[in-house]
Amino acid sequence: NAGVMQNPRHLVRRRGQEARLRCSPMKGHSHVYWYRQLPEEGLKFMVYLQKENIIDESGMPKERFSAEFPKEGPSILRIQQVVRGDSAAYFCASSPYRQPNTEAFFGQGTRLTVV
Amino acid sequence: KNEVEQSPQNLTAQEGEFITINCSYSVGISALHWLQQHPGGGIVSLFMLSSGKKKHGRLIATINIQEKHSSLHITASHPRDSAVYICAVSAHNTDKLIFGTGTRLQVFP
Repeated sequence: NAGVMQNPRHLVRRRGQEARLRCSPMKGHSHVYWYRQLPEEGLKFMVYLQKENIIDESGMPKERFSAEFPKEGPSILRIQQVVRGDSAAYFCASSPYRQPNTEAFFGQGTRLTVV
Repeated sequence: KNEVEQSPQNLTAQEGEFITINCSYSVGISALHWLQQHPGGGIVSLFMLSSGKKKHGRLIATINIQEKHSSLHITASHPRDSAVYICAVSAHNTDKLIFGTGTRLQVFP
């Protein structure tokens, strides 16, 4: 049973390009969470999704950021028109149930660098 | 003030020393998590606890719900324990984790 898989591990984008980050949850997990870790800062919640539904996107910036978790395939975090401030590590976590009282399994993260 | 505070921010130790990392939180919680992050690496869940104490190898985690405080102890520390240790809480009525800023531990041989 493979763990949470994120790809790519490293992504370099020029300002104005789009970044697509992928997260395949553990087998049997239908709950996905995206977190962002800015340089020298702690992790911050971005969005919580179940299959085909966004449950909580209170941590997502209002513009340029979107997330989906389709019926088939990985969850995607999409950042349009990237800016230098988007440079960060983006982590995905999955769980078989809703987060409270459930261990979260994290991926290796995608390190986005905007040049 | 952050909802989850950790101390110390940085910690150095000699191999073999007993280490304690503290976490205080100000919100009502369903559970508290201790996580480990190696430089440039992913995040590994060490413990999830909502009361009492848990032990896994040389690691021990305790929580006091009344005092809103948790500690992570490492016995007989080793250089491979060098990492950032992160405390996170599942607050009541929310699905997201709230994280502390982490404690950077370096264990020297």
